[in-house]
Amino acid sequence: GAGVSQSPRYKVAKRGQDVALRCDPISGHVSLFWYQQALGQGPEFLTYFQNEAQLDKSGLPSDRFFAERPEGSVSTLKIQRTQQEDSAVYLCASRGEQGAKAFFGQGTRLTVV
Amino acid sequence: AQSVTQLDSQVPVFEEAPVELRCNYSSSVSVYLFWYVQYPNQGLQLLLKYLSGSTLVKGINGFEAEFNKSQTSFHLRKPSVHISDTAEYFCAVSEGQGNLIFGKGTKLSVKP
Repeated sequence: GAGVSQSPRYKVAKRGQDVALRCDPISGHVSLFWYQQALGQGPEFLTYFQNEAQLDKSGLPSDRFFAERPEGSVSTLKIQRTQQEDSAVYLCASRGEQGAKAFFGQGTRLTVV
Repeated sequence: AQSVTQLDSQVPVFEEAPVELRCNYSSSVSVYLFWYVQYPNQGLQLLLKYLSGSTLVKGINGFEAEFNKSQTSFHLRKPSVHISDTAEYFCAVSEGQGNLIFGKGTKLSVKP
């Protein structure tokens, strides 16, 4: 596709349930980022991949959060044993060359009830 | 460590008036600077970016921003706003290849 695609767009999970959020970056983009945007806040960095290598995961809030990009293309953000504070929009972005602009997906809105 | 401060959480303005959205950053190294816009229920769109060169950067939709290294600022301006500019605006900083650090956002509300 022409842009970054995220699925699902909306996800409602019961507290304690595991969820998996998918990101399809723009074809050929080396860098892939995950952000968490809570209501009324700016996006907060979670993790960053360059190809299949996870170069920075310093933003992951707990060990319940796990991200992978096994073939350097599609990425999955997994949240185990979801809690209410995990409710947010999860944004994925991809970028080609260094300094080039990052393209964002429309996000997945996760609501934990 | 990098950080971004957007001084105004909300900016109300009348249509056709000028607007300035303020952004200050902190970083120990040279940075790239960005402004993104987020319309309701949509993803982030890049308005403009500063990588190097001229400190006055022009972006889409008539927006421009000026990089001021001494004041560590990157304020966004538009001389005449439209109703359609109503959205949330995010300033972001990146140290080269690294991730983007965002400010908390400024909600621009344009009234007729």
